[in-house]
Amino acid sequence: GAVVSQHPSRVICKSGTSVKIECRSLDFQATTMFWYRQFPKQSLMLMATSNEGSKATYEQGVEKDKFLINHASLTLSTLTVTSAHPEDSSFYICSAEPGSGGYEQYFGPGTRLTVT
Amino acid sequence: LAKTTQPISMDSYEGQEVNITCSHNNIATNDYITWYQQFPSQGPRFIIQGYKTKVTNEVASLFIPADRKSSTLSLPRVSLSDTAVYYCLVGVRRGGGNKLTFGTGTQLKVEL
Repeated sequence: GAVVSQHPSRVICKSGTSVKIECRSLDFQATTMFWYRQFPKQSLMLMATSNEGSKATYEQGVEKDKFLINHASLTLSTLTVTSAHPEDSSFYICSAEPGSGGYEQYFGPGTRLTVT
Repeated sequence: LAKTTQPISMDSYEGQEVNITCSHNNIATNDYITWYQQFPSQGPRFIIQGYKTKVTNEVASLFIPADRKSSTLSLPRVSLSDTAVYYCLVGVRRGGGNKLTFGTGTQLKVEL
C-alpha cells in the first residue's frame, strides 16, 4: 500500500515552454502533498506544500508564479513549471502524507526535467 | 525545524552490520524521527520511524536514546543493493501537514 506515482517520469522541453507534472496517491487519500526539487549530487529541497482545495504554501525563494501548484482532489496534485529555462532542469519529486495519523510520507518516483 | 547532522559517507562490506548515527540536538517534544533511503534517480523510500527507545521492522532498527538528541539507524547484514543515500529527518505536524527538511544524507557504499 501507500503508493505515489508521478507522470511523466522524464520530460525534455524547449526553453520558454511550460511543463506539467502530475503526482497521484494511488491507494490512499492525501490532503497534503509536497513538492521537492533535487539537483545532481544534492539533497532534496522542499519547494512547496500543496493542500487540497486551497492555495499552496511556497518555501522562501520559490517563485509561486513560476511553479504553479494545483491540488484539485485528494489524490492528485500538479506542478506546472511555466516558461521553463535551462536552470529549471532538475529532478522533481512529490510526496504525500496519508491522513491516517501517521507521520510518514510516501514519495513518488520523481520526474526528470531537462530544458534545452 | 530541527536540523540534522549525519556523516557524509560510509563504506562497508557485504554481510556486515552498518550503523548510521544522526544528531538532532534541537529536536522538539512532538517531533518524530524518520529515516529514508534513496537510490539514484528515484524518490526516497521510507525505512523506519520512531519517537523514543527502539523500533525494529523487517529491514532496520532505530535506536533513540532518552534525550532524543541523536538516533542510530542499524542495517543488519548489508548487501550490495543497500548502497544508497540515507536521510535522517525530524518533523513536526503543522495543521495536518508534516513539513520535512532533508539534510545532506549519508552515502553508504557496500562492497564485496
